[in-house]
Amino acid sequence: DSGVTQTPKHLITATGQRVTLRCSPRSGDLSVYWYQQSLDQGLQFLIQYYNGEERAKGNILERFSAQQFPDLHSELNLSSLELGDSALYFCASSGRDLQETQYFGPGTRLLVL
Amino acid sequence: EDQVTQSPEALRLQEGESSSLNCSYTVSGLRGLFWYRQDPGKGPEFLFTLYSAGEEKEKERLKATLTKKESFLHITAPKPEDSATYLCAVQAGWGKFQFGAGTQVVVTP
Repeated sequence: DSGVTQTPKHLITATGQRVTLRCSPRSGDLSVYWYQQSLDQGLQFLIQYYNGEERAKGNILERFSAQQFPDLHSELNLSSLELGDSALYFCASSGRDLQETQYFGPGTRLLVL
Repeated sequence: EDQVTQSPEALRLQEGESSSLNCSYTVSGLRGLFWYRQDPGKGPEFLFTLYSAGEEKEKERLKATLTKKESFLHITAPKPEDSATYLCAVQAGWGKFQFGAGTQVVVTP
């Protein structure tokens, strides 16, 4: 158990809908990262937050957005969903240092029908 | 552009048959190189962090090494429970993490 929690574990929805994925980092960690993993793409970095502020952006679509709240939990919002958004979404957290080890949560499996 | 390449893509081993996985990278200003293990449908599990060339780290049957251009994950006398996908990632700065595609390892009894 990494100490990172994610909800829900599974999500089934329809195209065009909007969903919110939630992540709670390990106690004491300030950074939260979001990743998308699909069968043909591997693990793709989406976005990083550090202590409530956006720190780095990866291959995140405009239809996707995220935020980190004062209690440090984070939410990833996915809107106007398409079939191709079906994937595993992982959250990871890390501590204060620049050279950071990320600890991953169990993931949310999203299926868009 | 930062790149991480893992080889081989897949590896099938007999129990006890030692082998090595390769992670080659091109990145400006390496801050750290990370190895993870991932089981199907689960989140990556942290194994090692390496920071500088020449560094080595060991955990049970796994040993990770780092040079200026690549890292190796050596699996000594593997057991079936070592079957997983092994991911390598590099960090070049704040949030600049790049993961490789992984090596899928299957260890048969």
